[in-house]
This record gives sequence, structure tokens and C-alpha cells, in this order.
Amino acid sequence: AQKITQTQPGMFVQEKEAVTLDCTYDTSDPSYGLFWYKQPSSGEMIFLIYQGSYDQQNATEGRYSLNFQKARKSANLVISASQLGDSAMYFCAMRGLSGGSYIPTFGRGTSLIVHP
Amino acid sequence: SQTIHQWPATLVQPVGSPLSLECTVEGTSNPNLYWYRQAAGRGLQLLFYSVGIGQISSEVPQNLSASRPQDRQFILSSKKLLLSDSGFYLCAWSSGISSYNEQFFGPGTRLTVL
Repeated sequence: AQKITQTQPGMFVQEKEAVTLDCTYDTSDPSYGLFWYKQPSSGEMIFLIYQGSYDQQNATEGRYSLNFQKARKSANLVISASQLGDSAMYFCAMRGLSGGSYIPTFGRGTSLIVHP
Repeated sequence: SQTIHQWPATLVQPVGSPLSLECTVEGTSNPNLYWYRQAAGRGLQLLFYSVGIGQISSEVPQNLSASRPQDRQFILSSKKLLLSDSGFYLCAWSSGISSYNEQFFGPGTRLTVL
């Protein structure tokens, strides 16, 4: 069975500083994808970044980067130069093989608050 | 560009009443469609997904059902709502069901069952 664990229910960061949101995963499938989504107070989930299990390099998308440590089964999201608009819930997700399909599994999320 | 719509945005229903939530996608064909429920302060629970018209896979047995009458339309239904059905319902689509396919979400429907 697949499992995503986000151990930080809430995080605080000063504007313009970097912050790391933790995510660990568990799967027996060698092929999987890891994703991070942002959910502002409006409720809509926004895709941020993707990392494949066979990717050699850490994924980056603008101010977002994914610190992928395969041996430790962790996929932490790093947000550099935090902005007030980064305040939101952040969800880590994984697509691993289940019953012949790559079913998405989400963590419980981390609430990020950026202080001015 | 692709767009995903959900309605209604909010809904207050009495226990035992029926439910119908609709999701439509524009700008793509043969999308893979998903229904999620998010309880307050919790992550997303996958309820149903569909890889094509009339093809529905259920992830959690409960009093909800889903249908896909058209390629880009996904409907979540219930004959009799329970208090525990309250939550935020999100529809999503992806271009495939592989490990690398990201999902794109609609604005959601906030359901309160009284």
C-alpha cells in the first residue's frame, strides 16, 4: 500500500526567507511520481512541481525545488524567497501502481504562513 | 487552454436528501477524471476515477456513486445524504493515468449536510 506522510501541520516563515516542507512516502513499486500541490484559502488545488522516481536530478520550477532523497524516501519541497502569496496549504502526493493504474495518494498537508 | 468547472460552488442539504454534483472539462478530449473529498483539516480522499465514458472505478465503498455520461462530464451522486458526507468535493482531470501525470483541479463544491 502507498502512503504519504507530512509531519508538519503548520509552518511559519518570514517573507523573503526560504522554507522546507517535509514529505516522506512509502511504496514497494520502483516506478512512481511525486507531486506537490498548493491550496490557497479559495480551495482550488494548484499543481506546483513533479519528480519522477528515476529522475537523477532534483526538480525545479521557479522558486520551487524538490529535494528528492530516494534512499530515505523523502521528497521535501523547498520554497525560496517566500512571498506573502505563498501562504496556503501544501500537499505532497504520489502516483504509484495500484491494481494496474497509477492511483494518486495525498498527504494530510502542511499549512504555511508567511509573515511580513 | 483547458478549463475545469464545478457546480454548484456551495450546497446545504438536509440529511436523507439526494445529491448531484457536476464537473465538466473544456479544451481537452478523453481526460481521466477524478472525484475527491476533503474533510476539514484533512488531505484528499479519492472517491472515484474514470478513464473513459461509462468507466468508473470506486476507491471507497459508501453511499456515493459517480457517472460519466459524456467524455468531459463527471457527476457525483447520492440517493440519501449522510451527515458524514459533509466536506469539500474536488473534481480533477489528467491527460493520462501514468506515474508522471499531474492533475488539474476544479474550484470545488463545499457541501454541508444538516
